[in-house]
Parts: sequence; structure tokens; C-alpha cells
Amino acid sequence: EAQVTQNPRYLITVTGKKLTVTCSQNMNHEYMSWYRQDPGLGLRQIYYSMNVEVTDKGDVPEGYKVSRKEKRNFPLILESPSPNQTSLYFCASSLRGDRLPPTGELFFGEGSRLTVL
Amino acid sequence: QKEVEQDPGPLSVPEGAIVSLNCTYSNSAFQYFMWYRQYSRKGPELLMYTYSSGNKEDGRFTAQVDKSSKYISLFIRDSQPSDSATYLCAMESGGGADGLTFGKGTHLIIQP
Repeated sequence: EAQVTQNPRYLITVTGKKLTVTCSQNMNHEYMSWYRQDPGLGLRQIYYSMNVEVTDKGDVPEGYKVSRKEKRNFPLILESPSPNQTSLYFCASSLRGDRLPPTGELFFGEGSRLTVL
Repeated sequence: QKEVEQDPGPLSVPEGAIVSLNCTYSNSAFQYFMWYRQYSRKGPELLMYTYSSGNKEDGRFTAQVDKSSKYISLFIRDSQPSDSATYLCAMESGGGADGLTFGKGTHLIIQP
């Protein structure tokens, strides 16, 4: 089954304790992205990757790191989480093509709900 | 500017009604317009997309873009309880370098 898999789905942590949210896709998509979704603010892009070893900042990159060493994986790293990073996080990968918008058709994971105390 | 405005709702309508969901935007560079549907506790999924102005129909769903007014709409005919979800509009410019800009989403409830 084609899917984007995120782990963990739920996490409660404390300020300053490094954590990684993993993301893996099995569709051979080149484009991958991380979003956070907050009430009243909607979906905002954190980082994206056009291909292996190519990453770039989105709209809200502060406090986050990413890496893209393999095509299928795009982990999100919070080196020193703070309470304002409490949010619902989505990883997405994209099928791109001539008959699609430039970003393509985004396939989202089921989300990772993070609480930082 | 990248702002996209979307009424958060909730919008509650009876089953079978025609639903109209709308977004307005300010960036005239946007050329691609999408609607994503998000069920509770799930990630968004692409419903429809249109390029530039015009209409696009897919079953019970019609997407409409009016670039002169910077206004896009999604119409749902014969609405069903299974259409209850949050609908997010999204848009981007032709270059693709800026990525997608999402609206905040409209929470739709179809009452049986």
C-alpha cells in the first residue's frame, strides 16, 4: 500500500530534550516536506526537500532541522524542543508531473501530535 | 504577500444540500489552486486542482476559480454525511519555488 509513515504518532516530552520524528514513504517520490498544523494558523511548511541531499527552509524553520540522506526518509529533528513547538506535525511526499501543479499532489502521513511541557 | 483567507466555520448543512466553500487571496502570482480534504485525525488528501481561471468538475464536486476577483470556490452537490471534514484550499505560483500556501480550512458538517 502506498503510504507515508510517521513515528511516533503521539509524544509528550519536556523542554530541551532532543527528539526526532521519523517519516518514510514507499512511493519513490523525490519531493518531501514537513508541515505543522495549529488551530487558527492552519498548515505551515517547516522544511522541504526536492531530492536526496537537497533541503530548504519553509515558512517556519526556526528550531527544527531535517536531513535527506535517502530518498524514502525525511526525519524532523527538534534539537531543543520548547513549548511553542507543541503542535500537530505532518510529513508529506509529492508525486510531480507535467499535468500537476509544481508542488505536485501531496500525500500526507497521519500526523504526529507533539506536546512539549 | 502569501495570505489566503478561508472562513473556519463550522458550516453545518443538512444532507442533500449544495455546499459552497470559498477562499480569497491577495497574491496575483498564484496560478494553481487546490482543494484538500482532511478527515478528523487524518492527514489532508488532494481532492481537486485547477490551473488559472475556470471551472473543473469531478463527480459531485466542482472547483471554480475567478482570478480577476482573487476568489476560489468548491461546490459539493448532494452532500453526504461522509463529506463531513475540514476542507483546505491551497495555492501556488507557476514557478513552484514558493511552495503551497494553505488556507486555514473550513470545518464542514453534513447532518443526516
